[in-house]
Amino acid sequence: SQQGEEDPQALSIQEGENATMNCSYKTSINNLQWYRQNSGRGLVHLILIRSNEREKHSGRLRVTLDTSKKSSSLLITASRAADTASYFCATVRTGANNLFFGTGTRLTVIP
Amino acid sequence: DAGVIQSPRHEVTEMGQEVTLRCKPISGHDYLFWYRQTMMRGLELLIYFNNNVPIDDSGMPEDRFSAKMPNASFSTLKIQPSEPRDSAVYFCASSYPGLGTQYFGPGTRLTVL
Repeated sequence: SQQGEEDPQALSIQEGENATMNCSYKTSINNLQWYRQNSGRGLVHLILIRSNEREKHSGRLRVTLDTSKKSSSLLITASRAADTASYFCATVRTGANNLFFGTGTRLTVIP
Repeated sequence: DAGVIQSPRHEVTEMGQEVTLRCKPISGHDYLFWYRQTMMRGLELLIYFNNNVPIDDSGMPEDRFSAKMPNASFSTLKIQPSEPRDSAVYFCASSYPGLGTQYFGPGTRLTVL
């Protein structure tokens, strides 16, 4: 049931560095969302970008969307150890009400 | 609001036993989703409801799995009989109509011995 792929599968950076994760998907969408999952917890919604938007910011998060390439990226600036988690992109397909999740990127931020 | 509530948080059972997982969605949310997460298969959508009616159950792995939503504030996912390969974390999520943002519960970690 997974819609797309995240790249890389795992990322390890030093605290203070920026982290970039990419997501590719397969079909036309209404919007794309990014979620975070801390170990042993449920997923938490971070940010949503609509299909007619190209970039969105929320605090240290920046999301871009390229519908022609069916891809999105999530940038976390000035990373902190607390950002260590798995990050998933999810799409709402045109005409649908459910989310299709990617495979996730495991981010480790080293203090 | 307390968020999506799931119980139990952990369940250990023996193969062949019946397992019932429970979920209380956020009040006012019309959609309820059941997911399963494993290392091998990632996050899989099992079934989702809209206004208590099952909309898509194509992700339910087999007849051993069943889900109900008798009212707007309660849903169950039942596995009967359970098998070791059912071991996973099961998440419930809810959302309201619109953009599709989902709110996840803390999950139930199921171990079938």
